[in-house]
Amino acid sequence: AQSVTQLGSHVSVSEGALVLLRCNYSSSVPPYLFWYVQYPNQGLQLLLKYTTGATLVKGINGFEAEFKKSETSFHLTKPSAHMSDAAEYFCAVSPGNQFYFGTGTSLTVIP
Amino acid sequence: DAGITQSPRHKVTETGTPVTLRCHQTENHRYMYWYRQDPGHGLRLIHYSYGVKDTDKGEVSDGYSVSRSKTEDFLLTLESATSSQTSVYFCAISATLGRRGGEQFFGPGTRLTVL
Repeated sequence: AQSVTQLGSHVSVSEGALVLLRCNYSSSVPPYLFWYVQYPNQGLQLLLKYTTGATLVKGINGFEAEFKKSETSFHLTKPSAHMSDAAEYFCAVSPGNQFYFGTGTSLTVIP
Repeated sequence: DAGITQSPRHKVTETGTPVTLRCHQTENHRYMYWYRQDPGHGLRLIHYSYGVKDTDKGEVSDGYSVSRSKTEDFLLTLESATSSQTSVYFCAISATLGRRGGEQFFGPGTRLTVL
């Protein structure tokens, strides 16, 4: 069975602070992993993805994520939060035909 | 932005009535998906399509049917809407499967309220 767990449904950080959003997955086959961002009243847009190769993946808007197979994790980070980063973030895994999404983490950035 | 439109964008209907949501793409992508988004549940797959007339069920398919007669259009039908189907519905497309590294592109969503 495939599943994605996002720890922390709400995360608050101060502007300029490190952003860390956690994602753990379970998959019966080597997975492909994705992070999406959703701004209010919009659809999801891709931040970054891991397929094969380098385990540290860089995405848009200064975000990056590291695939750690031993920990079955794919945590999303950004060194310095900006007000525009306030949004909902979804981790997803796709081991086959379907995509499986986590329940999302809402990021609040405090000025 | 990927060319994906959804119609209608908002709909209010009554319990027991049929409802059809439309997803239209201009990208010529093979795969299309319908999700529903509910608080605390993230996105859950309803149905997906891997080609014209080829569809399969997702995690929460009960009460929903789909059709794809053309590459560009994927219709989601609620045969007899219930209040539990009040949700935000998203269409997504992808050129390749996730297991081949293909990412999904999402439409703007349809907010459906069933009274």
